Amino acid sequence: DIAMTQSPLSLPVTPGEPASISCRSSQSLVHASGYKYLDWYLQKPGQSPQLLIYLGSNRASGVPDRFSGSGSGTDFTLKISRVEAEDVGVYYCMQALQTPYTFGQGTNLEIK
Amino acid sequence: EVQLVQSGAEVKKPGDSLKISCKGSGFSFTTYWIGWVRQMPGKGLEWMGIIYPADSDTKYSPSFQGQVTISADKSINTAYLQWSSLKASDTAMYYCARFYGSVATKTFDYWGQGTLVTVSS
Repeated sequence: DIAMTQSPLSLPVTPGEPASISCRSSQSLVHASGYKYLDWYLQKPGQSPQLLIYLGSNRASGVPDRFSGSGSGTDFTLKISRVEAEDVGVYYCMQALQTPYTFGQGTNLEIK
Repeated sequence: EVQLVQSGAEVKKPGDSLKISCKGSGFSFTTYWIGWVRQMPGKGLEWMGIIYPADSDTKYSPSFQGQVTISADKSINTAYLQWSSLKASDTAMYYCARFYGSVATKTFDYWGQGTLVTVSS
């Protein structure tokens, strides 16, 4: 199985400030096609997870442009340019290169 | 509008059997995979398995293989997750999600509201 490791696990952020979450995989997530099968999800308190970023850097429909994804190979990053109160929740990365697909441990973003 | 509507919360005893459901609407059910994800109390997301309703091709995580059964009835656009003998450790929220699985995109783009399963004597 591909292991996914996120850091930090807890991220207190002041509103208006940037935030960054790292996700590392135990093997490259770049498919032979060139696509990077790494997604980011946000689970807001009391809600189901929702898709934020797919293929490493593509924002899902309706996701604000303050969210961006980058990275390649085994190192990926989710950045929020200016955190807002509605961004609180747990952020997960997930690899979809091969089954079993696997999630990172989650990063709990909270507002200072 | 794409929707995945899951069955309601369940309270069961150890040893009971259980089948929970996930009904899709607003999309062609047979052209997507449907996956199941477990979230134990206060914990993270765990990928359990995935099914392609068109032909019932199913892939399980080794962690859940033999512990649960994933199935689907394409005639009623519904996927299922079932247990033959529940344990207290099966207590969790279970989510179904639509998996868009082309070469150009592999992602869970829509999620159900979750089904809370509580197993207690």
